Amino acid sequence: DGGITQSPKYLFRKEGQNVTLSCEQNLNHDAMYWYRQDPGQGLRLIYYSQIVNDFQKGDIAEGYSVSREKKESFPLTVTSAQKNPTAFYLCASSIGGSGRQETQYFGPGTRLLVL
Amino acid sequence: QKEVEQDPGPLSVPEGAIVSLNCTYSNSAFQYFMWYRQYSRKGPELLMYTYSSGNKEDGRFTAQVDKSSKYISLFIRDSQPSDSATYLCAMKGSSYKLIFGSGTRLLVRP
Repeated sequence: DGGITQSPKYLFRKEGQNVTLSCEQNLNHDAMYWYRQDPGQGLRLIYYSQIVNDFQKGDIAEGYSVSREKKESFPLTVTSAQKNPTAFYLCASSIGGSGRQETQYFGPGTRLLVL
Repeated sequence: QKEVEQDPGPLSVPEGAIVSLNCTYSNSAFQYFMWYRQYSRKGPELLMYTYSSGNKEDGRFTAQVDKSSKYISLFIRDSQPSDSATYLCAMKGSSYKLIFGSGTRLLVRP
């Protein structure tokens, strides 16, 4: 059963703590993305990766870091430098390549809350 | 001004009604247009994908794109309570980057 999985579903962060959100896909997609969703706002791009071992900053990368060591996996770390981390985090993937006609498919999301 | 504008709603309709959801945009380079449905606390699910102008139909759903007016629509016929969700429009040009509207919350009353 192909798809994108994200874990955990809920995550609690203490002040000053780094936390890592997991994203795994078995769709054989080259491109992967991380978005943040806040109430009443559209999805905002944090980081994206078009290929293994390569990634670029999106619109709101400050306070976040990523790695792409495997094609299937694109973990996101929310660092202590991110002062307002409470949000719904969504991982997506797409076939990759030309970037023209491809569409993005989303995982179920992780809700991050600050204690 | 945002690149993509979408009325947040909520839009409340009785079961069986025809629903019209809309987005306007400012970037004439957008060529690919998508509608996603998002249930509460879930990830967005791709509903419709359209390239350039024209109509596309899939069951009870019809997507329309009017590039001359920079206006896209999603119509839902015979709406059902299970259609109650937030609907996000998204669009892109030739690059990877998807630009999303803020979403319209739809409530279909039984």
